[in-house]
Amino acid sequence: KNEVEQSPQNLTAQEGEFITINCSYSVGISALHWLQQHPGGGIVSLFMLSSGKKKHGRLIATINIQEKHSSLHITASHPRDSAVYICAAFPPNTGNQFYFGTGTSLTVIP
Amino acid sequence: ETGVTQSPTHLIKTRGQQVTLRCSSQSGHNTVSWYQQALGQGPQFIFQYYREEENGRGNFPPRFSGLQFPNYSSELNVNALELDDSALYLCASSLGAGRSYEQYFGPGTRLTVT
Repeated sequence: KNEVEQSPQNLTAQEGEFITINCSYSVGISALHWLQQHPGGGIVSLFMLSSGKKKHGRLIATINIQEKHSSLHITASHPRDSAVYICAAFPPNTGNQFYFGTGTSLTVIP
Repeated sequence: ETGVTQSPTHLIKTRGQQVTLRCSSQSGHNTVSWYQQALGQGPQFIFQYYREEENGRGNFPPRFSGLQFPNYSSELNVNALELDDSALYLCASSLGAGRSYEQYFGPGTRLTVT
């Protein structure tokens, strides 16, 4: 079983829709990251969270430490948001190792 | 400031050969982490270098080795290549080795082993 699980694996949305991607983890963490990966491989770090909520433009990330769950929300989705979104947990005492989810592939249709 | 760069972009090798992948960290960053991402999977942590010393390692065999130079650029070496080593190899640099430091990823090197 993977330490980090994401859902859904694939998501197709119409432009303008509100999107939610979920991440559950089974390990204690000191930080959780949300990453965006475009076709071709380049990864961009979107958020780093250890508690609460962060917002950047149309993106919002929340985390509930007690429930070991995080969500990434995209408001007013746009075709340029089409990418793979990956959550990565950073547990303490693991030699600086991240545990990554397998990603959610998002396609936003115009 | 320049971002994280990796070379080469693509590489094809034969089983049993050796390969060296390179990563230049973002200006001011002293920590580089390497990841392997198989097709359709999330990245897997290989190891991290902090100020030229290995600072953590994932579940990869010793034929995966690395190096960090005084300018904090880094190399990943893989000996005795196997077909399963075919993957996208990502490096990420950060200002420090702690968990609170954001990682900045390079574009990756796609390795194909035939």
